[in-house]
Amino acid sequence: GAVVSQHPSRVICKSGTSVKIECRSLDFQATTMFWYRQFPKKSLMLMATSNEGSKATYEQGVEKDKFLINHASLTLSTLTVTSAHPEDSSFYICSARDSQGYGYTFGSGTRLTVV
Amino acid sequence: KQEVTQIPAALSVPEGENLVLNCSFTDSAIYNLQWFRQDPGKGLTSLLLIQSSQREQTSGRLNASLDKSSGRSTLYIAASQPGDSATYLCALSGANSKLTFGKGITLSVRP
Repeated sequence: GAVVSQHPSRVICKSGTSVKIECRSLDFQATTMFWYRQFPKKSLMLMATSNEGSKATYEQGVEKDKFLINHASLTLSTLTVTSAHPEDSSFYICSARDSQGYGYTFGSGTRLTVV
Repeated sequence: KQEVTQIPAALSVPEGENLVLNCSFTDSAIYNLQWFRQDPGKGLTSLLLIQSSQREQTSGRLNASLDKSSGRSTLYIAASQPGDSATYLCALSGANSKLTFGKGITLSVRP
């Protein structure tokens, strides 16, 4: 089945630095990927929709200059958290629709801790 | 705006019990409904996908049903095992391709 690989699984960074999270579709082409954020014991919150070759679409309240999304190829989307602060600490998960366009496959998530 | 509700938020059952997890939604104009499992600190694993034209799907001990007219879906787990302990999320996709999630049901299966 469709597999989405997400790296890194865990990252600790200092306040003010930037962190890049990668999401790759391994056996299918993903023209659209989705980035979510999940707070402890809460459901997933959609941050943005990443479209290959065009600008990402951000959900209301999500700072696009802080959360930079690049979808340069059909198999790779990246989320860069710029000038990270402790309040950015969270669990970030990416997702893509499978090759048949029906179901959604999720990455394994990235636990970001900003100290 | 689609709203997805999963009640109760948590459930504890003894091993071997058959159980039903419920999911209700407000807008019946959906494309697909998908049930996911999430283990602590992990990503989401897709369990079952029901397309809009379908009424149910089965995989092993799992069976999911969809009734768009009543705005309900159920996930049936047969002969529950401790390894089934996880959070189960129901999610629906609509015309905008975005998934709307319920808050999930945290299941604990006691040995």
